[in-house]
Amino acid sequence: QSALTQPASVSGSPGQSITISCTGTSSDVGGYNYVSWYQQHPGKAPKLMIYEVSNRPSGVSNRFSGSKSGNTASLTISGLQAEDEADYYCSSYTSRARVFGGGTKLTVL
Amino acid sequence: QVQLQESGPGLVKPSQTLSLTCTVSGGSISSGSYYWSWIRQPAGKGLEWIGRIYTSGSTNYNPSLKSRVTISVDTSKNQFSLKLSSVTAADTAVYYCARGRRAGTDYWGQGTLVTVSS
Repeated sequence: QSALTQPASVSGSPGQSITISCTGTSSDVGGYNYVSWYQQHPGKAPKLMIYEVSNRPSGVSNRFSGSKSGNTASLTISGLQAEDEADYYCSSYTSRARVFGGGTKLTVL
Repeated sequence: QVQLQESGPGLVKPSQTLSLTCTVSGGSISSGSYYWSWIRQPAGKGLEWIGRIYTSGSTNYNPSLKSRVTISVDTSKNQFSLKLSSVTAADTAVYYCARGRRAGTDYWGQGTLVTVSS
């Protein structure tokens, strides 16, 4: 299995919107509606932000949204806030494994 | 509120076996359609999925680690465990245990640093 492909870094100013892409194959992202996204602050465990492509767990801000088209999933964060600065990872379930993206560092300028 | 806590040696010698246990509290490890996973993260790097176990005992492992990994579950103790054999410095990482479903991995332990060094 190969890691999903994410941009190494993205940045945006407070109040702006950013989108992080996550590209896989038809064997993972494209084959299942089980893409999830995680936020990780330094020294902390990852936190589930989006599950099943576009669903938010209870307590996660509606500024976070997810989507998928073909083999590429996307995480959009609107109304950027300083606290959003973190690493973000996408992940896809498959019948034999779970695969993660390489991670994207979000910088809030 | 489900909580997970990793435990085990923080230092392992090269060629030896790394052993970690994850204790689940706030819920039964046998309830619901969940599986229980191990994920690791080398310093400054991304997340690497190690494997998962269902309470039926069925397992799936990362193909790159499969020959060295064993994950087991003890429902009587509400725990699951990781064994990684023949470790090298490349296995040095923060190891997380976590609860997952197809939809996503919703509860994570705080992580434990395991260093492989003589």
